[in-house]
Amino acid sequence: NAGVTQTPKFQVLKTGQSMTLQCAQDMNHEYMSWYRQDPGMGLRLIHYSVGAGITDQGEVPNGYNVSRSTTEDFPLRLLSAAPSQTSVYFCASSEASSTDTQYFGPGTRLTVL
Amino acid sequence: TQLLEQSPQFLSIQEGENLTVYCNSSSVFSSLQWYRQEPGEGPVLLVTVVTGGEVKKLKRLTFQFGDARKDSSLHITAAQPGDTGLYLCADPGGATNKLIFGTGTLLAVQP
Repeated sequence: NAGVTQTPKFQVLKTGQSMTLQCAQDMNHEYMSWYRQDPGMGLRLIHYSVGAGITDQGEVPNGYNVSRSTTEDFPLRLLSAAPSQTSVYFCASSEASSTDTQYFGPGTRLTVL
Repeated sequence: TQLLEQSPQFLSIQEGENLTVYCNSSSVFSSLQWYRQEPGEGPVLLVTVVTGGEVKKLKRLTFQFGDARKDSSLHITAAQPGDTGLYLCADPGGATNKLIFGTGTLLAVQP
């Protein structure tokens, strides 16, 4: 079992560029979510999904898009990167809902110049 | 949106000391989770508390849920360098289905 995997591990973008952060889980979990973590701070919820074809906004959704075409994958898209999006991004999954144990990926460190 | 404030923000102590960190909310929790995050890794769930007044122990860690379910504390006895990390409380959201994290307490235990 690989658990939750995220790619890439590190990424540097220029302002205005677009990119997709990949997240995959092999535990057949229905609930998946994306968080960003700024230095020395807690995690803030960007988007989440309760199953394939269903997504919803979290606390800080602006500038990010998501889709959930399969149970396994939950990519996060930055359409036009801004320096304010410099952060560490974590993907998580759980069996069915936010109240279940969340399993986090190792994170993607993104820098926008 | 519920705000979860944690205190202190930073804590640096010597090995063997005891410490307590706090998590407070502006409203009532349905339940509360505590996570620990080590540098370069994602958070890992330590415990979930559900009932007001509940106390749970995990080796040298004691978690308490306030009677009114608006606050929680984490007490570490005889801290060790392996306890170093970011401690996060989180509201699992219940009906909202949104897991919201607190501001975090960064703990450094010096050998």
